[in-house]
Amino acid sequence: DSGVTQTPKHLITATGQRVTLRCSPRSGDLSVYWYQQSLDQGLQFLIQYYNGEERAKGNILERFSAQQFPDLHSELNLSSLELGDSALYFCASSPSGSSGNTIYFGEGSWLTVV
Amino acid sequence: GQQLNQSPQSMFIQEGEDVSMNCTSSSIFNTWLWYKQDPGEGPVLLIALYKAGELTSNGRLTAQFGITRKDSFLNISASIPSDVGIYFCAGNSGGYNKLIFGAGTRLAVHP
Repeated sequence: DSGVTQTPKHLITATGQRVTLRCSPRSGDLSVYWYQQSLDQGLQFLIQYYNGEERAKGNILERFSAQQFPDLHSELNLSSLELGDSALYFCASSPSGSSGNTIYFGEGSWLTVV
Repeated sequence: GQQLNQSPQSMFIQEGEDVSMNCTSSSIFNTWLWYKQDPGEGPVLLIALYKAGELTSNGRLTAQFGITRKDSFLNISASIPSDVGIYFCAGNSGGYNKLIFGAGTRLAVHP
């Protein structure tokens, strides 16, 4: 158990819909990261938040957005969903936002768009 | 942009054999990490490397941070069936903690 909690574990929704994925980082961690893993693909970095502020952005679509709340939990919002958005979405956390910190992953949220 | 090449893509070995996989980058990294992912689960950190030349072990696993800072390898000795999974390397070149992941090495172990 990494200490990173993600909900829901599984989600099935229709194209065009919007979903919200939630993440609670490890106790004391200030940074939260979101990654997308499509079938048989590697981990694609989406976005990072540090203490409530956006710190780094990766290959995140404009239809996707995220935020980190004062209690440090984070949400990833996916809107106007397409079939190709079906993937495993991981949240990860680390103590700070600086280089050299290892990050710890949650168990992921399986999103299936039908 | 930065790229990580991880090889091999997949391996199918006999139980008891040793395994070696590696990652090379197009740029210098300050951190190398190795993760293992079981099906349907999140990647779990195996070994973290922070200095060029560093050699670190975790049980039957050994990883090294290449002296050029552009590569790293992971060795698994005396493989067992539970070693099955996908192994990812990840690197960070500095600044904000935006790790870049390799495409993964799928390991299958035949009893």
